[in-house]
Amino acid sequence: DSGVTQTPKHLITATGQRVTLRCSPRSGDLSVYWYQQSLDQGLQFLIQYYNGEERAKGNILERFSAQQFPDLHSELNLSSLELGDSALYFCASSAGGEGYNEQFFGPGTRLTVL
Amino acid sequence: AQSVTQLGSHVSVSEGALVLLRCNYSSSVPPYLFWYVQYPNQGLQLLLKYTTGATLVKGINGFEAEFKKSETSFHLTKPSAHMSDAAEYFCAVSEGFGNEKLTFGTGTRLTIIP
Repeated sequence: DSGVTQTPKHLITATGQRVTLRCSPRSGDLSVYWYQQSLDQGLQFLIQYYNGEERAKGNILERFSAQQFPDLHSELNLSSLELGDSALYFCASSAGGEGYNEQFFGPGTRLTVL
Repeated sequence: AQSVTQLGSHVSVSEGALVLLRCNYSSSVPPYLFWYVQYPNQGLQLLLKYTTGATLVKGINGFEAEFKKSETSFHLTKPSAHMSDAAEYFCAVSEGFGNEKLTFGTGTRLTIIP
């Protein structure tokens, strides 16, 4: 158990819908990362937040957005869903201080778009 | 930009045989290098990492990897395969503090033959 929790574990929805994925980082970690794992694209970085502020952005679609709240949990919002958005979405957290910061991964949310 | 190439999407070895999973990277700055393991329906677990210092790094479950700058490689080895090693393995690179996003390879599925 990495200490990172993600809800829900599974999500099935239809094209055009909007969903919210939730991540609670390890206690004390300030950084949260979102990654997408799909058959087509593999594992790719979407976005990073550090203490409530966006720190880095990857290949995140405009239909996707994220935020980190004052209690440090994060949400990834996916809208106007398409079949190709079906994937495993991972959240990771790290301490975020200077030097090396190991990322600890949650179990993921499996999204199926029908 | 950083990238990772994992040679061999599928590798099969006999139980007790040497495991060798190949990883080559590209990075414009001194890289941080990682190997992660993913068991079916689970998240990513860090096997080992190279940040600075000793180029031969030891990880969990008897795995080790050697950072070879001249070859831009970070191959993963284990002297004797065990049935429990069957999983998917991902090599990843990051620039470290200030740009900690992980760039992953496409993964290698390791099968152990009894």
